[in-house]
Amino acid sequence: AQSVAQPEDQVNVAEGNPLTVKCTYSVSGNPYLFWYVQYPNRGLQFLLKYITGDNLVKGSYGFEAEFNKSQTSFHLKKPSALVSDSALYFCAVRDMNRDDKIIFGKGTRLHILP
Amino acid sequence: EADIYQTPRYLVIGTGKKITLECSQTMGHDKMYWYQQDPGMELHLIHYSYGVNSTEKGDLSSESTVSRIRTEHFPLTLESARPSHTSQYLCASSELQGVNEQFFGPGTRLTVL
Repeated sequence: AQSVAQPEDQVNVAEGNPLTVKCTYSVSGNPYLFWYVQYPNRGLQFLLKYITGDNLVKGSYGFEAEFNKSQTSFHLKKPSALVSDSALYFCAVRDMNRDDKIIFGKGTRLHILP
Repeated sequence: EADIYQTPRYLVIGTGKKITLECSQTMGHDKMYWYQQDPGMELHLIHYSYGVNSTEKGDLSSESTVSRIRTEHFPLTLESARPSHTSQYLCASSELQGVNEQFFGPGTRLTVL
């Protein structure tokens, strides 16, 4: 079965520093990967997706993600963190074997320290 | 403006009450979804739909039911609410074809006393 894993429950980064939120995946076939962000008391917002092509995907709010096939990873990155980036981040994969449903990771809480 | 709406945003009710959580989208999407999420935790898919008159159960067993009579409307009903139903419920939609992201509503925070 398709799955994603987010190995860190929480990540703390100082404002202005680069940030990375980790995600690894397990799929049969081509991986279709997503990142979403959730602010308090809100629904999820789409950040970016990887379907095919360039391994570096650029998304909203200055975020980008690097697809690495050999390491089966899709880490989310930003060169310079803002306090407003503090939120819950979800990695997700499309499950081609189960009605194309999206399988979400457990989420990583990102704290940007001023 | 194309968007996805959920009402109410917050609901506190007593055990045994029947409730309906509303979800509407003006995005013209065929696929719609309901997720259950405890605060700050992972999402669990409870229902989804491919279009009008299509409803499917998700991964998490749920005592709720859904209907899809109109493309833009996907309400979720609990016939008899219990404290174990206390959670946040998120509605989402997406296009039917292709590898498409889901668009989420703001959620309904349900508390059953």
